[in-house]
Amino acid sequence: EAGVAQSPRYKIIEKRQSVAFWCNPISGHATLYWYQQILGQGPKLLIQFQNNGVVDDSQLPKDRFSAERLKGVDSTLKIQPAKLEDSAVYLCASSLVGLRDRDSPLHFGNGTRLTVT
Amino acid sequence: AQSVSQHNHHVILSEAASLELGCNYSYGGTVNLFWYVQYPGQHLQLLLKYFSGDPLVKGIKGFEAEFIKSKFSFNLRKPSVQWSDTAEYFCAVNGNTGGFKTIFGAGTRLFVKA
Repeated sequence: EAGVAQSPRYKIIEKRQSVAFWCNPISGHATLYWYQQILGQGPKLLIQFQNNGVVDDSQLPKDRFSAERLKGVDSTLKIQPAKLEDSAVYLCASSLVGLRDRDSPLHFGNGTRLTVT
Repeated sequence: AQSVSQHNHHVILSEAASLELGCNYSYGGTVNLFWYVQYPGQHLQLLLKYFSGDPLVKGIKGFEAEFIKSKFSFNLRKPSVQWSDTAEYFCAVNGNTGGFKTIFGAGTRLFVKA
């Protein structure tokens, strides 16, 4: 099966600019996640979708970050305006069912490495 | 607060040495435990998982992990590492009290010398 697709792989922007990341999950996967991984840390969940509804966005900095999953498939994550501390790898993951389905590990994309200068 | 702690950030071993990576978690309720691995240049992928039953679980490539509930631990082991095991290893947990939100540890970078 095709894996989780993310683009772009790398992005360099200046602070206060905006940026968007795109994710296409594995076909049929209902749950989609965006994680932020800062250098030297583990992935931190930003937002979780179940189909096209938001399940958890408690750690999403909503003053500058936004995400959507139109039609319950592809998703975009946007940062506007970016800050220096947003430099990180942004990972998209999907799982078959999610929520209370235990046999549903996360499948990750390769991530987008964002550098804010 | 829910958290995952990995004891070592960097581990260097010679081939054929035994490996044990520590993982402790703080999470109320019923938990599911995972180890994910990221090989150089590749994406994160599942190594093994524990949901219930036998606390000793076996994963791919000869890895195993033991869930010790009384110690809130889920340590990863391999009797004899290979150069190809060089990677970053992440312990993760989710559970019913956290809405099954998966929380990751900071990761352990393993370098195996040939």
